[in-house]
Amino acid sequence: GQQVMQIPQYQHVQEGEDFTTYCNSSTTLSNIQWYKQRPGGHPVFLIQLVKSGEVKKQKRLTFQFGEAKKNSSLHITATQTTDVGTYFCAGPPGFGNEKLTFGTGTRLTIIP
Amino acid sequence: DARVTQTPRDKVTEMGQEVTMRCQPILGHNTVFWYRQTMMQGLELLAYFRNRAPLDDSGMPKDRFSAEMPDATLATLKIQPSEPRDSAVYFCASGLSSWGDTEAFFGQGTRLTVV
Repeated sequence: GQQVMQIPQYQHVQEGEDFTTYCNSSTTLSNIQWYKQRPGGHPVFLIQLVKSGEVKKQKRLTFQFGEAKKNSSLHITATQTTDVGTYFCAGPPGFGNEKLTFGTGTRLTIIP
Repeated sequence: DARVTQTPRDKVTEMGQEVTMRCQPILGHNTVFWYRQTMMQGLELLAYFRNRAPLDDSGMPKDRFSAEMPDATLATLKIQPSEPRDSAVYFCASGLSSWGDTEAFFGQGTRLTVV
């Protein structure tokens, strides 16, 4: 079945440093979604990318979808304490297939 | 403020007991997902429905788990009999699916502890 892996599993950064998490799927995705889960909370949708090679920005967050639509990345510039949490990528394996499989997640902690 | 509602929020039960978790999806959403989250396995997709029809429950242990949508406002996940290894946070999520681009809105989750 479809597997979605993320690296790194954990990342500790000093406040103000940059952070990147990478997502790789074993199958081509029709789209890639990113979610953030705060400690003790539930996953919250951040963004969706659909097109091959697409890049989207949300303030300090930059999301990329790979050309082959099998990988993606999330980059945070100048991290803040509010960025703490686990970041998940997720994607359905094919057009018209809603089976939303989540990646393994990257837990980000910030050292003030 | 539309949101997915899950009950109960916390459940402690003894091994062998039946557990029922309920989810009220956002009104108008046609896709419902059940996920289980543990430290070891992350977010596992157990089952999902579209327009109340089960499309995939391959992630669910069939011998003890069952998922249903009696109507458009209620999804249930049952475990019978429960076992300690079922201890986890169970999330329900709903979305408005259009050609597979479903943004999932998650409920607060049910934290299940089986002793």
